[in-house]
Order: sequence, then structure tokens, then C-alpha cells
Amino acid sequence: GAGVSQSPRYKVAKRGQDVALRCDPISGHVSLFWYQQALGQGPEFLTYFQNEAQLDKSGLPSDRFFAERPEGSVSTLKIQRTQQEDSAVYLCASSLVSYGYTFGSGTRLTIV
Amino acid sequence: EDKVVQSPLSLVVHEGDTVTLNCSYEVTNFRSLLWYKQEKKAPTFLFMLTSSGIEKKSGRLSSILDKKELFSILNITATQTGDSAIYLCAVEATTSGTYKYIFGTGTRLKVLA
Repeated sequence: GAGVSQSPRYKVAKRGQDVALRCDPISGHVSLFWYQQALGQGPEFLTYFQNEAQLDKSGLPSDRFFAERPEGSVSTLKIQRTQQEDSAVYLCASSLVSYGYTFGSGTRLTIV
Repeated sequence: EDKVVQSPLSLVVHEGDTVTLNCSYEVTNFRSLLWYKQEKKAPTFLFMLTSSGIEKKSGRLSSILDKKELFSILNITATQTGDSAIYLCAVEATTSGTYKYIFGTGTRLKVLA
């Protein structure tokens, strides 16, 4: 596609529910990143894929967070048993090489 | 611990003013520094800097990197209301063969007509 597509754009979930956020990167982009951006903060790294391999998941805040990219294209970020502190914008970005990658518009997650 | 610090946190200027945004960093295995502009949606790429002392320009925006003093500045001349946004600085660092970007908290710029 023309850009990085994320869905849903907005998600409201009750505390304790599981959520799944989707990222559709630019076709052919090898690298895919997930970031979490809390209100008033810069994006914080969560995890990084190169094709289907998750090479770095050091930023995932807890074992409730899980990301996958099984076929090296679409990625899903899953958050289990959501808590209020999970409320944030989740940004996905992809790049062909390590060079000024392209962000999606993000998913705004609100836990109530 | 890797960190990127931006200053000021926020700035209000009038159209036509010149602004300078600062980004300092401490990271291991630095590869590059990037500037992004973020309005209501996703950040958009402005510049990537890898070498010290070489200014990059795009219209009224310019940026330079000092790898000795570990900082970068983003200059915007003749500001316009459309420049109002959050400007993010990110540093690319590598660890064990993988890379990631560490972002600062951003500078919120508001340009008044």
C-alpha cells in the first residue's frame, strides 16, 4: 500500500479485556517497529521485527504484551488483561532499510 | 541508559520569528539522528543526520549534528502558523546487531499569527 496502515484508529476497552492492534506496513518493507506514545511523551520503543523474526522485544513493558508478524508483513500487537496505564497511542512504523522510516497514524487505545 | 533530551519542552512565537530546537543525546553505538514533525497524526520525517558539521536544509528548516558534543539543533526561519507541531528528535542506536530509535519527549511549537 501507499503508507503504513493501522487499525483500529480508536479502541476503547474495559480494564481486564484483551485487545489486538493491527499494522499493515508498506509493501516490501523488511523492518517493522512498534512504539507506545503516552500523552505528552515521545514514542517509546516496544519491539522490532525484521521480516517475521522478532529481533528485539526489550521495550515490551510486561508479559501481557505480545507482538507477532508471522508472514513478514502484517503485524499484530496484543495486550492481554489491559490496565489503565496501557492507555496510549500505539504507533507502527516500517522501513526498507535503516533510514527514516514511515509511521502509521497510530491506534489510540483508551482503557476505562 | 540511552536517553534523548529535547529543549525547550514548549515554545510560543509569532509568525516570522526564527526558532532553534535542541536535542542532546547519550547512547551507545550511535548510528544516526533524526528529526520528525508530529501534528495530529503520525510523525513525518524531516532530516536524518549521520555526520558532524554538515548542515541539512529543506526550505525554511535546517539541522546540524555535533557528534563530539552529542547534540543537534533544528532551525526554522520565518516561522508560519503551519509550523505549529511537536518536533521529535530520535537517535538510532544499535545493540547486538539490531537497531532501534530512542525518541525525546519533543518540543511543542506554537506559532501565532
